[in-house]
Amino acid sequence: DAGVTQSPTHLIKTRGQQVTLRCSPKSGHDTVSWYQQALGQGPQFIFQYYEEEERQRGNFPDRFSGHQFPNYSSELNVNALLLGDSALYLCASSLEIGENYNEQFFGPGTRLTVL
Amino acid sequence: AQSVTQLDSQVPVFEEAPVELRCNYSSSVSVYLFWYVQYPNQGLQLLLKYLSGSTLVKGINGFEAEFNKSQTSFHLRKPSVHISDTAEYFCAVSDRINFNKFYFGSGTKLNVKP
Repeated sequence: DAGVTQSPTHLIKTRGQQVTLRCSPKSGHDTVSWYQQALGQGPQFIFQYYEEEERQRGNFPDRFSGHQFPNYSSELNVNALLLGDSALYLCASSLEIGENYNEQFFGPGTRLTVL
Repeated sequence: AQSVTQLDSQVPVFEEAPVELRCNYSSSVSVYLFWYVQYPNQGLQLLLKYLSGSTLVKGINGFEAEFNKSQTSFHLRKPSVHISDTAEYFCAVSDRINFNKFYFGSGTKLNVKP
């Protein structure tokens, strides 16, 4: 059973560029959440997708947007990149209902470096 | 909104010694509590979780945590650590309405020395 997968593993961009990160949830999971983990800090909630819609959002600007596809996979898009966007971006999947509905499984992350 | 405080940014300990990593949370509603471990260049792995019931929760790799509602704490303990436990540990909280929106602490780096 494949867990949560993310691509790419690493990414280097320059200020002002746009980036797209991808996530495939754990098999059977229908909810995808994205987190930003800056160096030396804990992950911060960006937003969550369920049934192809953004359901919850953290304190991130509109430059951060996302999408969920019918197969539950998800993309995170960041526009007009800033140096401060450099971080590890984590995707987590979970179930809306079921025995373990309150447990999130995390992917290995995408390391984004903005120069 | 919820918040989590991990009081120790780094904890050095010798192999086979006991360890406690501290976590305090703030919330106006009932919460779920979690501990995750992160090894270098990897994602987060769930160690244990408290949902309800017994306040003493046992997890993987010999870790356990105790939920203390009066002190709003959820400290992580292990009676005897191994070199392989060297990693960063994150405490997280969610509430029973937005249960998939996690608030994380800033992490505690556990450094196990031989």
